[in-house]
Amino acid sequence: AQSVTQLDSHVSVSEGTPVLLRCNYSSSYSPSLFWYVQHPNKGLQLLLKYTSAATLVKGINGFEAEFKKSETSFHLTKPSAHMSDAAEYFCVVSDPPGSNTGNQFYFGTGTSLTVIP
Amino acid sequence: KAGVTQTPRYLIKTRGQQVTLSCSPISGHRSVSWYQQTPGQGLQFLFEYFSETQRNKGNFPGRFSGRQFSNSRSEMNVSTLELGDSALYLCASSLEGGRSTDTQYFGPGTRLTVL
Repeated sequence: AQSVTQLDSHVSVSEGTPVLLRCNYSSSYSPSLFWYVQHPNKGLQLLLKYTSAATLVKGINGFEAEFKKSETSFHLTKPSAHMSDAAEYFCVVSDPPGSNTGNQFYFGTGTSLTVIP
Repeated sequence: KAGVTQTPRYLIKTRGQQVTLSCSPISGHRSVSWYQQTPGQGLQFLFEYFSETQRNKGNFPGRFSGRQFSNSRSEMNVSTLELGDSALYLCASSLEGGRSTDTQYFGPGTRLTVL
């Protein structure tokens, strides 16, 4: 079965310090992985995605994520947090078409990021 | 290009009523997916439509239904509303939906409150 585990429900960092949001997944296939961000009362915005190309993926707003197959992880990082980064972050896994669970997105439970001035 | 639009943005209904939510995908996108977001359950997949056909369905009761029109616009209907149906309903569109490399683009959501 496919699943996504976001290891921290809440993360607090000081402005200007690094951000690390952790995500582990399980999949019987070679999945695609995504990170989305949701600001209050807004829809979800794509930050970045991994689709079996380079394992280090660069996204918008200075975010990066590294796919580590041996650790089944896809952690999201940013070198320096900004106040505007405060939001909810979702890790998502999607299986290939033709698989039993293809065409579906599986969401983690989200990590709420607080940035302290 | 205009993004995904959802109407209405906010809705208040009472138990037992039914409700219809609308989603207009990004121009050229043929796949539309619906999700329910609640504080307790997080984001849960409802169903996906492609070329007017339901292609995937999540684990929701039959009170939740949807359809897609020839212009790819989609509607979601919930009948016999229950208090637990109060949630943010998100719609997402993608080009084909059948390839895992496709990115889903989300609308702002419809906030449904059931009293």
